[in-house]
Amino acid sequence: QLVLTQSPSASASLGASVKLTCTLSSGHSSYAIAWHQQQPEKGPRYLMKLNSDGSHSKGDGIPDRFSGSSSGAERYLTISSLQSEDEADYYCQTWGTGSWVFGGGTKLTVL
Amino acid sequence: EVQLVESGGGLIQPGGSLRLSCAASGFTVSSNYMSWVRQAPGKGLEWVSVIYSGGSTYYADSVKGRFTISRDNSKNTLYLQMNSLRAEDTAVYYCARVREGDYYDYWGQGTLVTVSS
Repeated sequence: QLVLTQSPSASASLGASVKLTCTLSSGHSSYAIAWHQQQPEKGPRYLMKLNSDGSHSKGDGIPDRFSGSSSGAERYLTISSLQSEDEADYYCQTWGTGSWVFGGGTKLTVL
Repeated sequence: EVQLVESGGGLIQPGGSLRLSCAASGFTVSSNYMSWVRQAPGKGLEWVSVIYSGGSTYYADSVKGRFTISRDNSKNTLYLQMNSLRAEDTAVYYCARVREGDYYDYWGQGTLVTVSS
């Protein structure tokens, strides 16, 4: 079964960097994912598509502070030079035949 | 500029029906996969349904047989017909475009559906 696992929460200081993790279930380590940001009281926003080789393509207007990388079944979202507006929920998402799957989300707190 | 605007949400009694709409601009709905995703209060995102550009449709098990996704090409609008609504269907419903058949690249702002007596 295709499952994405995320830590429920993360925190980092203003101006620092943070690396969020999304783990693909066994047998699905070659899958690409997408990262989405959801700021409080807003709809989700597409950040990037991240392939198993670490290559990624970002959405319109996504700052260079956001980057992605991969290692085995792990997919990472790194946010550098954290700003207050980066405080949000971050979801990873992937797809199978006729179904789409989301991770449980990581709530990022900027201290 | 791509825009997705949902409407049609509201308060509905259990067992009732509701139709959500998603008006698209900046691209052609029928040339893309389009999807509905929902978010229950305080919870994460849950995929609900998708319609392929060719017209095939798929549903999450939780809504199969009760919800129907469709589109009106002349209006460039996506719909979600929701029947036999349950309390657990209470959520903000988002429409989203599926890029390359894979990932969501544009989202609407959502419409709230509350199922309660």
